[in-house]
This record gives sequence, C-alpha cells and structure tokens, in this order.
Amino acid sequence: DTAVSQTPKYLVTQMGNDKSIKCEQNLGHDTMYWYKQDSKKFLKIMFSYNNKELIINETVPNRFSPKSPDKAHLNLHINSLELGDSAVYFCASSQDGLGTANTGELFFGEGSRLTVL
Amino acid sequence: AQSVSQHNHHVILSEAASLELGCNYSYGGTVNLFWYVQYPGQHLQLLLKYFSGDPLVKGIKGFEAEFIKSKFSFNLRKPSVQWSDTAEYFCAVKEGGSYIPTFGRGTSLIVHP
Repeated sequence: DTAVSQTPKYLVTQMGNDKSIKCEQNLGHDTMYWYKQDSKKFLKIMFSYNNKELIINETVPNRFSPKSPDKAHLNLHINSLELGDSAVYFCASSQDGLGTANTGELFFGEGSRLTVL
Repeated sequence: AQSVSQHNHHVILSEAASLELGCNYSYGGTVNLFWYVQYPGQHLQLLLKYFSGDPLVKGIKGFEAEFIKSKFSFNLRKPSVQWSDTAEYFCAVKEGGSYIPTFGRGTSLIVHP
C-alpha cells in the first residue's frame, strides 16, 4: 500500500495547456504539501494545507491552484503552462502540521514529472 | 530566516570509501534534523532523524549522523559506501517555532564500482 500516491507519474504537454496532478495519502495525516524540484534538484515548497485549509502559499504564480477536497487529498491544477513549469512535483504529508507534535518529518509521494514543450 | 547549507554539491567516491556529507544550519534554538535520500528517478525517503537524546543517530543502510550543537552541524557518515548508495542526499532542519522544515540544496553522490 503506497502511503502517498500521485498521478500521473509523467506528464508531457504543450505550452498554454492546463493540467492537473492528483495526490492522496492514506497515513491519516492532517497536513499535505506540494513541492517543486527543479533540474538542479532544488526542492521548493509551494503550498501546504492543514485539514483542507490553505496555510502556506509561497510566491507561486496564480496559474497554480491547489485544491483539497478533504484532508487525504491535495490536487494541483496548473493553467496556461509555461516552459519554466517543467519540473518534478512532489506531494508530501505530515502529522499535526499546526500542532506542537509537528516534528517536521515529511512523507513524500513518488513525484510527477511534468515536461512542457 | 533559517538556512541550511550543504557544502558538498557533488561527491564522487569509489566503493568501500568512507563518506561524510556536511550539513550546517543557522538557527540557534531547538531543532529537529533530518537526512533524506533520493535514488535516481525516485522520491525522497527518510534516512535518519534527530529530535533529542543521543546526538549520534543511526539510520537505515548503515548511515549515521552526528548532531554537534556547538557547530550547528548534522553531518552524515557511512564507513564504507556501495555502488547502490549513488543518490541525491538532502539535509533538512525544522526549527522549534516553524511550521515546515528547510531543505538544503542537496549533495549528489556518485559511487563508482
């Protein structure tokens, strides 16, 4: 059983298109995240949701819109894709995101490699 | 703001060589410390973590790390690397009052057979 699963794993699309990536976790965690990993492997936090509420929104273009229908799911929709959006997008989850029990330990999905042509 | 430095960006070793990857952070208070590994084409997996107690932490696959508070460091070590250790290694630090950990830029390790 995969703890944090993302679909699709690979996405190849043209500039200007709209695409979505889905993420689900079965760990019972309260908090989920989207990270972007660029070609140099640098990991950058994009968004975080705690119990369906947005709590972190880094300086990400508003073409990126996260949606959390429930605390086990966090989807990422990207409008008007640009070449610079090509990257690997990782979903992650953690326990007690806002509480004192938050250790900072993250559980990552397998990543979704987006290629914009 | 918290920063995490991994000074070795690329490390190349032969099998059986010893490994030490540096990680330094800037926050002076209570921290939780992590090393994650990312094998080629895969996701990040936790190697080891330190929250409190014995500053020498043992993780999976023979890795260990030592927390030296006075040096703000959490270096990763392995006495004898294998070809299968070829991967990207990320240090992460969560300071007491922050919500999420800060990641270093990663160190690429290549082990030649």
